[in-house]
Amino acid sequence: GAVVSQHPSWVICKSGTSVKIECRSLDFQATTMFWYRQFPKQSLMLMATSNEGSKATYEQGVEKDKFLINHASLTLSTLTVTSAHPEDSSFYICSVSGNTEAFFGQGTRLTVV
Amino acid sequence: ELKVEQNPLFLSMQEGKNYTIYCNYSTTSDRLYWYRQDPGKSLESLFVLLSNGAVKQEGRLMASLDTKARLSTLHITAAVHDLSATYFCAVDIKGTYKYIFGTGTRLKVLA
Repeated sequence: GAVVSQHPSWVICKSGTSVKIECRSLDFQATTMFWYRQFPKQSLMLMATSNEGSKATYEQGVEKDKFLINHASLTLSTLTVTSAHPEDSSFYICSVSGNTEAFFGQGTRLTVV
Repeated sequence: ELKVEQNPLFLSMQEGKNYTIYCNYSTTSDRLYWYRQDPGKSLESLFVLLSNGAVKQEGRLMASLDTKARLSTLHITAAVHDLSATYFCAVDIKGTYKYIFGTGTRLKVLA
């Protein structure tokens, strides 16, 4: 299956700052990637679909101006959490679609202090 | 709106026992996936179920899919402590690879 790498694995930032998370598809060209968020002891929630060369599609209730997604190449999508607040602290996971299933990155633990 | 429910949410069981986790979903889908998640980690793929009647087994775990009943099961046979984790089912939205995840089942196997 596809190898998906996220960076960083964890990050701590101050409230009000912005944080960028990278998702790379190492061996597969991905026109579409997906971003999920998981709060502690909860399930994963789909945030948005990242489309190579075009605007991302956001799920209902996800603020597009707060969670900026850029998918400039077939192997890289980035998620920028702008003006982060403690309530944005979460586990962010990206995925890449394969032939029969999606492949998930190792996740990024964001803590906003 | 597609909803995916799992039960039980929490499961504490003795080693050597058998149990089944259920995953119900609210709309038509032919693709269902099972994942394992350890604390602080991402998802580990367990099973990919792509058609009605699909049954797959790996070690002490067996998964099945009934698309007509909109139900998938994950059966645990002779549980061991190493199976302690959170298990998620996920349903693909119309073949888009966008997944709706179930609520998760936190399994604890007691020695």
